[in-house]
This record gives sequence, C-alpha cells and structure tokens, in this order.
Amino acid sequence: DAGVTQSPTHLIKTRGQQVTLRCSPKSGHDTVSWYQQALGQGPQFIFQYYEEEERQRGNFPDRFSGHQFPNYSSELNVNALLLGDSALYLCASRLGPTIDTQYFGPGTRLTVL
Amino acid sequence: DQQVKQNSPSLSVQEGRISILNCDYTNSMFDYFLWYKKYPAEGPTFLISISSIKDKNEDGRFTVFLNKSAKHLSLHIVPSQPGDSAVYFCAASARTDKLIFGTGTRLQVFP
Repeated sequence: DAGVTQSPTHLIKTRGQQVTLRCSPKSGHDTVSWYQQALGQGPQFIFQYYEEEERQRGNFPDRFSGHQFPNYSSELNVNALLLGDSALYLCASRLGPTIDTQYFGPGTRLTVL
Repeated sequence: DQQVKQNSPSLSVQEGRISILNCDYTNSMFDYFLWYKKYPAEGPTFLISISSIKDKNEDGRFTVFLNKSAKHLSLHIVPSQPGDSAVYFCAASARTDKLIFGTGTRLQVFP
C-alpha cells in the first residue's frame, strides 16, 4: 500500500498564475482533506471532499477550489497566485468516521515568485 | 486568532528522560484533541488522541493529559528515544474534520 501520494513534489510559479496539485488517497479511503502549511506554522484546513462534493471549508478565498474524482483522487486548484500562497500543501485521506484514521501525504512545496 | 497554541518552539531532552510537550487552546467548543509527529519531507503522522470526556489517554510510551478547566493539554513521552526527534503538532476539532493545528514544537532527543 503506497499510502497517500501527492504530485508534484515541488513547484515554482509566478504571481498571477494558476496551479493544480494532485492527491491520490490511501487505498480504500474515500474522504480527502487539503491543508496549507506556511513556513513556521501548523497546517491550516482548506477544505474536505467526500462523494465528489466539498463538505467542509476553512477560511480560504474562492481562489482555492478543488475536485474529487470517482476514484476518490483529488485536485487542489489555486488561481491568481499570490506570494503568500507559497507553502507546503498537504493532502490527507481517511475511511470511516474517526479522524484518528486520517493519513497525510508528504505534501507539495509550492513557491510563488 | 490562534485558537491552538504551542508556546515552546523547541525542546531538548536527554535520551531516557521524559519529554513534556504543551498545548493551550482558547475555543471551548473543541471536544477532540490529537497529537501528530512530523519528520522532514514527510506528512504529519497521527500519534495519540483524547476526547474531552477523558482527562488521560495512554498508548505505550505516549500519554496525553487534558485539563479542560485550564484549556491545556500535554503530551508525555517516557522514556524519550533519539527516534522521537521530530516536530510535534497539537490539533483540535469541534465535532468536525476541520482540524485546527498549533505551530508545532521541535523535539530533539540527544544521547
């Protein structure tokens, strides 16, 4: 079992551009959450997807959007990139009602220049 | 508004001794608390959790204590081992999957 995988590992973009990050959940997991971890901070919840719908959302602007596919994989899209969007983006997946079973991927490091 | 705070950015402990990591929270609606460990280039890994109906939970060398009146929780690691060296995050939730994380404490266990 490969666990949660994310691609790409690193990404460099310019202000104003758009970016798409990808996440494959752990085998059998149907719920995917995305987090943003800025340097020196803890992860911040962006949103969660279940059954291809956004179920919960954190305090992030509409520039941040996502999608979940029928195979439970997910994408995070960020439009009109700002310098402040530079961060590690973590994907987490779980199966079942308890959040203890949530597994995190290694993250995608996004740098906005 | 930092709802979950870890006021110690770093902690250094000798191998075999106890490591105590602290976490404070402000939101009284939080009812579930978790600790995660994070190594470089890896995602956070779940360590131990505690519900607000309990004041203590143990799992091997790891024990979490919750003091609801003080809005404080702590993670005890006994005995500490070099492999425990990592960044530890405290997280809280209020009956949802939306976890609120602290800023982390870097633990270094030296021989």
